Amino acid sequence: AQKVTQAQTEISVVEKEDVTLDCVYETRDTTYYLFWYKQPPSGELVFLIRRNSFDEQNEISGRYSWNFQKSTSSFNFTITASQVVDSAVYFCALSAPGGNKLVFGAGTILRVKS
Amino acid sequence: DAGITQSPRYKITETGRQVTLMCHQTWSHSYMFWYRQDLGHGLRLIYYSAAADITDKGEVPDGYVVSRSKTENFPLTLESATRSQTSVYFCASSEALRAPAETQYFGPGTRLLVL
Repeated sequence: AQKVTQAQTEISVVEKEDVTLDCVYETRDTTYYLFWYKQPPSGELVFLIRRNSFDEQNEISGRYSWNFQKSTSSFNFTITASQVVDSAVYFCALSAPGGNKLVFGAGTILRVKS
Repeated sequence: DAGITQSPRYKITETGRQVTLMCHQTWSHSYMFWYRQDLGHGLRLIYYSAAADITDKGEVPDGYVVSRSKTENFPLTLESATRSQTSVYFCASSEALRAPAETQYFGPGTRLLVL
């Protein structure tokens, strides 16, 4: 069965520090997708990235970068030079077979202090 | 362009009452989903729908009922609310399946308190 583990329950950093959020997944599928979502204090869920299991290239978007390693079943998310506005809960998710379903990790609370 | 909306945003009810949470999307997405968010569990899928009149259970369907008579609406009903159903409920939608998974876009959520 699919499973997503976000072992870091909560992380606190000071503004401008780099921070990496870990995501480890389990699946027997050979083709799958991984996602990251952000949930700011306002409560909505914001889509950040979708990555195909066949594409192991790292991706960078501004201060955000993602490191996908199939060998370790990890899809880690790094924020460079963190800002207070990055404070949020971040969820990693994995596609489950059949019906376009997603399995979510428990989330990591990121607190960025000024 | 409203996207995906949920109503009500906040609801307080009592044990045993029936409650319906509404979800409406303007994107004509084929798929719609209901999740509940609880501390320590992330988001768990309650029910999903691939199209009008097609629904299926997710991970935690007990105590919930869904229907989808129109593509744009996907109401979630708690037939007899229990305190364990106190949670934040999110509706999501995605395009027709062309890959193992399409990106899901979420509504703003409904905070439900069952007393």
